Amino acid sequence: ELKVEQNPLFLSMQEGKNYTIYCNYSTTSDRLYWYRQDPGKSLESLFVLLSNGAVKQEGRLMASLDTKARLSTLHITAAVHDLSATYFCLTGGTSYGKLTFGQGTILTVHP
Amino acid sequence: NAGVTQTPKFQVLKTGQSMTLQCAQDMNHNSMYWYRQDPGMGLRLIYYSASEGTTDKGEVPNGYNVSRLNKREFSLRLESAAPSQTSVYFCASSEALTGAPGQPQHFGDGTRLSIL
Repeated sequence: ELKVEQNPLFLSMQEGKNYTIYCNYSTTSDRLYWYRQDPGKSLESLFVLLSNGAVKQEGRLMASLDTKARLSTLHITAAVHDLSATYFCLTGGTSYGKLTFGQGTILTVHP
Repeated sequence: NAGVTQTPKFQVLKTGQSMTLQCAQDMNHNSMYWYRQDPGMGLRLIYYSASEGTTDKGEVPNGYNVSRLNKREFSLRLESAAPSQTSVYFCASSEALTGAPGQPQHFGDGTRLSIL
């Protein structure tokens, strides 16, 4: 059974600081997705990572994938308040249909 | 662009009542999914449909049934609602289950369901 674990689950940051969210998964996977969810809202796709060593960047967010370590990271650079949200990773192992979410990381950015 | 549309947005049921959550997508996607979101547990897959005419169980299928009515629509039915099914339900769609892993899932706005 595929297990996907994110840490930390709660992250309180000051504006301007850097931090990393980690997503570990238990079985081989060839793809990993990152999503953002604002309170009471739907999920928004941020990144799609498809190969070992893949790195994607959008604004202050950068995501990477290490398939050998079964680890993805979401790095936040110089955080701003607008980044406050819950971030989820999603991966599927080798079964395309049964995708599994991490628990989510609730990020709060303070002035 | 409508994307993925879910109805209703909110619903309150009594224990034992039945209801169907509706989901429709206008992106010509092959695959559709139903998730539930509970505090502290992320989103869990209930059922998915790889293509029109097929459905498969996800992680938490007990107490639910689904119907892939056509390529656009994928409904979720609670036959006899229980308080444990109080949750936010999300429908999602993606271009293809296989052959296109680079396509992310697109999510609807969710249905907030309370069962008393």
